[in-house]
Amino acid sequence: DVKVTQSSRYLVKRTGEKVFLECVQDMDHENMFWYRQDPGLGLRLIYFSYDVKMKEKGDIPEGYSVSREKKERFSLILESASTNQTSMYLCASSLGGRADQDIQYFGAGTRLSVL
Amino acid sequence: DQQVKQNSPSLSVQEGRISILNCDYTNSMFDYFLWYKKYPAEGPTFLISISSIKDKNEDGRFTVFLNKSAKHLSLHIVPSQPGDSAVYFCAASAGGGADGLTFGKGTHLIIQP
Repeated sequence: DVKVTQSSRYLVKRTGEKVFLECVQDMDHENMFWYRQDPGLGLRLIYFSYDVKMKEKGDIPEGYSVSREKKERFSLILESASTNQTSMYLCASSLGGRADQDIQYFGAGTRLSVL
Repeated sequence: DQQVKQNSPSLSVQEGRISILNCDYTNSMFDYFLWYKKYPAEGPTFLISISSIKDKNEDGRFTVFLNKSAKHLSLHIVPSQPGDSAVYFCAASAGGGADGLTFGKGTHLIIQP
C-alpha cells in the first residue's frame, strides 16, 4: 500500500512565525503535491513537484514556498504565517507515467491554526 | 472561476438505494476524472477514475459515467451502505497527472438506515 505520511496532525502557530510542513512518501513516486482544504472551497493546489529540486506553482502559491531535496520528501513552508493560512493541509503523491492512470494518494492531513 | 462544479453540497439516501453524485466541468482540456472519498480528519482516498476515451467505468458497487458532450460525470453507488457516508470529491486533470488535480467543492453523502 502507498503510504504518504505528514509529520504533524495538528499544529498551532503564531502570526509571523516560519512554519514547516513535512511530507514523506514511501513508494518512489515521481510527483508530489500540496493542497489546502477549506470549508466550502474544496481542495486547492498550492505547489507541486515532478522531480527532485523541481517545483511548480499551483492555483494559490502566494505566501508559500516548497522544497524537494530528496525524491521521497516534499516540504511546504509558510515564510511568515498569517491567520488566513489557518487550514487543513494535504500532501499527495503519484507515480507519474501515463496520465490516464495516474492516481494521487493523500496523507492524513495537517490541521494548522495560526493565532 | 470554478472549473469543476459539484452543485449539491449534501445528499441524503436511504440504505440499500442508489446514490447518484453529480459533477460538471467547464475545461474541455480535462481528459482524466477521479472520484475521492473523504472521512472527517482523514485524507481523501481514491475511489474510481475514468479516462475521457471511455464513457463508463465500473468497480464493484461504484460506477462512474462520463458524458463529454455535456461535460458531466456522475458517480453511482449501488447499493448504498452506512459506511458510504462521507464527503465525495470530483477531480479532473488535463494533459497529465503531474500538473495536479482540480477539485470540486465536494458533496456530503449521508446514508440513512
